[in-house]
Amino acid sequence: GQQVMQIPQYQHVQEGEDFTTYCNSSTTLSNIQWYKQRPGGHPVFLIQLVKSGEVKKQKRLTFQFGEAKKNSSLHITATQTTDVGTYFCAGHHNAGNMLTFGGGTRLMVKP
Amino acid sequence: DAGITQSPRHKVTETGTPVTLRCHQTENHRYMYWYRQDPGHGLRLIHYSYGVKDTDKGEVSDGYSVSRSKTEDFLLTLESATSSQTSVYFCAISAAGSNQPQHFGDGTRLSIL
Repeated sequence: GQQVMQIPQYQHVQEGEDFTTYCNSSTTLSNIQWYKQRPGGHPVFLIQLVKSGEVKKQKRLTFQFGEAKKNSSLHITATQTTDVGTYFCAGHHNAGNMLTFGGGTRLMVKP
Repeated sequence: DAGITQSPRHKVTETGTPVTLRCHQTENHRYMYWYRQDPGHGLRLIHYSYGVKDTDKGEVSDGYSVSRSKTEDFLLTLESATSSQTSVYFCAISAAGSNQPQHFGDGTRLSIL
């Protein structure tokens, strides 16, 4: 079946350090979405990327969609303790109405 | 947050019993989804609905059934619960399919003993 792989599974950083999570699909995606889930909470939509090579920024967060539309990344500059949580990518393949979620990257920030 | 209510929030039951989880939305969104979340597996789609009485299977549909008799309600049923179905279940809604953001409920923590 269609898969979306996400690495790393866990990341510990010192507050102020940068953080990146990577997402790879076995097939071309029509779009990719990113979600954040705080500990004990539910996933919350962050952003959607649609175009090949697209880059979008939200304050300290930078999202990229690869040229081949098979990979994506989320980069956080100068992490803060409020960034703690699990970040999920979710890819929409061309057929159907389903999102395929990556396994998530759990970010822990040491103050 | 979008108006999504999941009930119950927590449930403990025994193997072999039937279980029904409810998702109620006040957003009049067309699409509704049921996911399960397990450590190391992220979110996996069980079933989804694209309208009243219109449903389709997801990635992990075996052992689960769904019904949507009204726009606002999407029910997930485990006909005969097994321990492998112990999980956190999330309902999500979206206005128009997978090219739109999904908004999640608070989840139901289900334990099958």
